[in-house]
Amino acid sequence: DAGVIQSPRHEVTEMGQEVTLRCKPISGHNSLFWYRQTMMRGLELLIYFNNNVPIDDSGMPEDRFSAKMPNASFSTLKIQPSEPRDSAVYFCASSPTSGSRSYEQYFGPGTRLTVT
Amino acid sequence: GEDVEQSLFLSVREGDSSVINCTYTDSSSTYLYWYKQEPGAGLQLLTYIFSNMDMKQDQRLTVLLNKKDKHLSLRIADTQTGDSAIYFCAESRTLRFGGSYIPTFGRGTSLIVHP
Repeated sequence: DAGVIQSPRHEVTEMGQEVTLRCKPISGHNSLFWYRQTMMRGLELLIYFNNNVPIDDSGMPEDRFSAKMPNASFSTLKIQPSEPRDSAVYFCASSPTSGSRSYEQYFGPGTRLTVT
Repeated sequence: GEDVEQSLFLSVREGDSSVINCTYTDSSSTYLYWYKQEPGAGLQLLTYIFSNMDMKQDQRLTVLLNKKDKHLSLRIADTQTGDSAIYFCAESRTLRFGGSYIPTFGRGTSLIVHP
């Protein structure tokens, strides 16, 4: 298995631009998570999907952030408009909800976002 | 305070043992984890312990759990330079929806191994 795939790996954009981050979870995993990692705040859970349905988006910082999961193999996290304080590493993770490994999250390599 | 706390840095000499400590607040935690993050990569599960256990050993890794004090530790024997990374402590309970385990992560401990 290829693992969780994220694209792009690096994104540099100017303040005010729209940014779209993409994630392909591991095939067969029912849960998908978006995290943000910064030095100041550590690892923050932004949103969590189960069977493509958003379950908990209480971690989404503000209305500029939105996430979708149109099917079991694809999710996006969009920031519009982007601001310098959104600069961070964004991780996608997936997890099975049944079976012997349901306690484990599998992380992608992350997207390093820089907003100037 | 935060739900999961751990010290930010640990420096050890190659060949020594490393002990990374963590405290958590939720007494209903089901699983407790140690994840490892290498530079430029995502987190990877290193080991975990179920809440009804007090110790787990896996090759060079030993996890100790003290439920009474809500204290978790990770001991790495014969630490190597390749063990240099950030180690995250995490705890989780089963959520109501979907049955997924949602970890609450600590801030991470940067382990620096020097020759």
